[in-house]
Amino acid sequence: QVQLHQSGPGLVKPSQTLSLTCAISGDSVSSNSGAWNWIRQSPSRGLEWLGRTYYRSKWYNDYAISVKSRIIINPDTSKNQFSLQLSSVTPEDTAVYYCASGPGGMDVWGQGTTVTVSS
Amino acid sequence: DIQMTQSPSSLSASVGDRVTITCRASQTITYYLNWYQQKPGRAPKLLIYGASSLQGGVPSRFSGSGSGTDFTLTISSLQPEDSATYSCQQTYTTPITFGQGTRLEIK
Repeated sequence: QVQLHQSGPGLVKPSQTLSLTCAISGDSVSSNSGAWNWIRQSPSRGLEWLGRTYYRSKWYNDYAISVKSRIIINPDTSKNQFSLQLSSVTPEDTAVYYCASGPGGMDVWGQGTTVTVSS
Repeated sequence: DIQMTQSPSSLSASVGDRVTITCRASQTITYYLNWYQQKPGRAPKLLIYGASSLQGGVPSRFSGSGSGTDFTLTISSLQPEDSATYSCQQTYTTPITFGQGTRLEIK
C-alpha cells in the first residue's frame, strides 16, 4: 500500500523559498508508472495543481503556468522522496499543500501541510 | 488551460435522495475525468477515475458517467456520511485542472 508523508515548515517569510518534501513508502519514485504531484488548496483558488515529476526511462517535469518561473519539483532516488521548492513567495501562496500520486486519478495523498506566508 | 465548470456550487438533499453533480470541460478530455470527495480538514479522496470506474473501497452508490466534455457524478441513495465537497479533475493534459467544487449538505 502506497503512502505519502509530507514534511516541511508551516511558516515562510515573504520573498523566501517554500520547501516541502514528500516521502514515499510502498512504491518507488523511479517507478515507470508513477507520477508524483504537488497540489495546493486555498479558499480563493480552490484546488490548484502545481506540477509533477515522473520517470519514463528519463525524468520529466510538468509545471503549472501560474508558478512555472518559481517552481522546482525534484525527485530524490536515494531517499525515495520528492520535493517542492517555490521561490519568491507572497501571501497569495498561503495554502494547504498536498503531495499526491496515482496511475489514473490521484488515489494516494499526503496528510497536507498548512503553509502561511507572513513576516 | 482546460476549464472545468461544476454545477451546482452547492446543494442540500435528504437521506435516501438521488443526487447528481455535473462537470463540464471547456474542450474535450475524452474520459480523463476523476471525481473526489473532500471533508473538512482532510485530503481529497478519489471516488471515480476514468469518468466511470469506481475506485476500490468506494461504496457502489457512487457512480460516474460521461465522455468528451460533459460528465456526471451520481449518488444513488444519499447517506449522512456523504456530506462533503465534491470536485472533478481532468488529467487529459497538463496543466491538470479541477472544478471549483460542489458542497453537498444533508438536510
